[in-house]
Amino acid sequence: QKEVEQDPGPLSVPEGAIVSLNCTYSNSAFQYFMWYRQYSRKGPELLMYTYSSGNKEDGRFTAQVDKSSKYISLFIRDSQPSDSATYLCAMDNNQGGKLIFGQGTELSVKP
Amino acid sequence: GAVVSQHPSWVICKSGTSVKIECRSLDFQATTMFWYRQFPKQSLMLMATSNEGSKATYEQGVEKDKFLINHASLTLSTLTVTSAHPEDSSFYICSARIESEIYGYTFGSGTRLTVV
Repeated sequence: QKEVEQDPGPLSVPEGAIVSLNCTYSNSAFQYFMWYRQYSRKGPELLMYTYSSGNKEDGRFTAQVDKSSKYISLFIRDSQPSDSATYLCAMDNNQGGKLIFGQGTELSVKP
Repeated sequence: GAVVSQHPSWVICKSGTSVKIECRSLDFQATTMFWYRQFPKQSLMLMATSNEGSKATYEQGVEKDKFLINHASLTLSTLTVTSAHPEDSSFYICSARIESEIYGYTFGSGTRLTVV
């Protein structure tokens, strides 16, 4: 079993839709949870991060962490064609700085 | 914000030759650098972690003699793919740890290596 599992997609939605991206994990030592956006042939860029359980909102993006269920989500409201990218969840157990990434979900927002 | 500049962005080389990829931290000191490999439509797989002035720590299954990592200064880390073969063709990405931030990881823009 992989430490982090992410719905592979691909996911195609119309412009304006609400998008839900999810990851599950098995290692209860993970404390920091991140979402990265990666455009084709580019390095990942950090979208949001959260520590432990709870919600965090930043504009159209909301990140949720449920440590009891070992489940994290990223919601994108009013999705735009420019949101079309691969979204990667990543986690850190704060020991040595290694990030463990999910497989990535490819999102396409159609105008 | 902190930026890592990665070069080249793409490279094509002949089988059996070596290729060097550089990552420079432009406005901060990168004590720790991570090197990842990414195959199409797959996630980033950590290859090795390097700390300035010491030997890199390689992940299980990564050949140390094939993927040489040098982190001789706080602003430069290099990955050299030696005796490259077509199966080494991949997208290589570096990432630096920003010590002053809780979550400080910044990524380079990646290098697409094609071995022919």
